[in-house]
Amino acid sequence: NAGVMQNPRHLVRRRGQEARLRCSPMKGHSHVYWYRQLPEEGLKFMVYLQKENIIDESGMPKERFSAEFPKEGPSILRIQQVVRGDSAAYFCASSPRNQPQHFGDGTRLSIL
Amino acid sequence: GESVGLHLPTLSVQEGDNSIINCAYSNSASDYFIWYKQESGKGPQFIIDIRSNMDKRQGQRVTVLLNKTVKHLSLQIAATQPGDSAVYFCAENPGGYQKVTFGIGTKLQVIP
Repeated sequence: NAGVMQNPRHLVRRRGQEARLRCSPMKGHSHVYWYRQLPEEGLKFMVYLQKENIIDESGMPKERFSAEFPKEGPSILRIQQVVRGDSAAYFCASSPRNQPQHFGDGTRLSIL
Repeated sequence: GESVGLHLPTLSVQEGDNSIINCAYSNSASDYFIWYKQESGKGPQFIIDIRSNMDKRQGQRVTVLLNKTVKHLSLQIAATQPGDSAVYFCAENPGGYQKVTFGIGTKLQVIP
């Protein structure tokens, strides 16, 4: 049973470009979460999605950031017009209802 | 705002000794707590959890203690091994759904 799969593992973008981060949850998991981690810090919640629905996006910046979890395919975290401050590790987690979250190994986003 | 935090940022332990990692939380409404282990370049890995109706839970070589009176959580690792070297995060799940709030983290260094 494969774990949470994130790709790419590393992503380099220039300022102003778009970044797309993908997350395939574990089989049978219908809840997906995105977190952001800066070096030497804990993970900060961004958004919680269920299939085709955003449940809580209180941790996600209002501008430039969006997330989706379509009926088919992976969850996508999209960052438009990236800036240097977007450099971080972005982690996705998935879970069944009312069960602990399982995390992927993250996407390291670097902005030049 | 309410948060979860850790007392010690770095803990060095001799191989074979027991490790104790502490965590203070401030959200008295939290009813579920989790410890995660994060190795370099990896995502957080679930170690053990505990609900607020318990004060102790044991796993394989790990024990979590919860003191609701003083809002304190600890993770005990027995016979610490080099493979235990990582950053350990406590996290809380306020009631409702699974949005997780992470603490800052404690880096555990095991000295061979």
